[in-house]
Amino acid sequence: NAGVMQNPRHLVRRRGQEARLRCSPMKGHSHVYWYRQLPEEGLKFMVYLQKENIIDESGMPKERFSAEFPKEGPSILRIQQVVRGDSAAYFCASSPGTPDSGNTIYFGEGSWLTVV
Amino acid sequence: DQQVKQNSPSLSVQEGRISILNCDYTNSMFDYFLWYKKYPAEGPTFLISISSIKDKNEDGRFTVFLNKSAKHLSLHIVPSQPGDSAVYFCAASSRTGANNLFFGTGTRLTVIP
Repeated sequence: NAGVMQNPRHLVRRRGQEARLRCSPMKGHSHVYWYRQLPEEGLKFMVYLQKENIIDESGMPKERFSAEFPKEGPSILRIQQVVRGDSAAYFCASSPGTPDSGNTIYFGEGSWLTVV
Repeated sequence: DQQVKQNSPSLSVQEGRISILNCDYTNSMFDYFLWYKKYPAEGPTFLISISSIKDKNEDGRFTVFLNKSAKHLSLHIVPSQPGDSAVYFCAASSRTGANNLFFGTGTRLTVIP
């Protein structure tokens, strides 16, 4: 009965490199969310995906960031040409997406990105 | 624009006493509210929720109160235990909007033994 699985837990990248963060939702969940927590700040919504569809990406920076949730495999948050300001904890969450599940989402343990 | 606000960044409470964490929101479309608890280096874990049709929801030592007219909710923990020491995030969503949660900036609770 695995929860939301994220990897890697910790990632160090040099400025200009690419970062890829992966998220496998809980079994039976078809909705995935990515949140970012900058140091000393709260959680900020980035993107909401269902299988093969981006439902809401209003929180995603317009450049360098992209997300996907393919039919098979985990959801991936991709950050191209990372800069120091991208250093943060990135949390993935999932939900069943059924009407009776409410809006409760369940988080993974996070991926900590450090850009040096 | 912070739609969910937790104005107290930290709170210290003696073990056995009541902890009260507060949260305010600005969007009148929010109709579902949640509290999450987060330990360092871990993801947030769901604690308790309340829908706007209620004004109180209780689960063991945790009770959430909702005051819609004031756009205010609070989480009461009684009695507080040292293991409750964590950062508590308030979150809100609208069923009619996109299925995402807006989070406050968190309140760090320290329960002193």
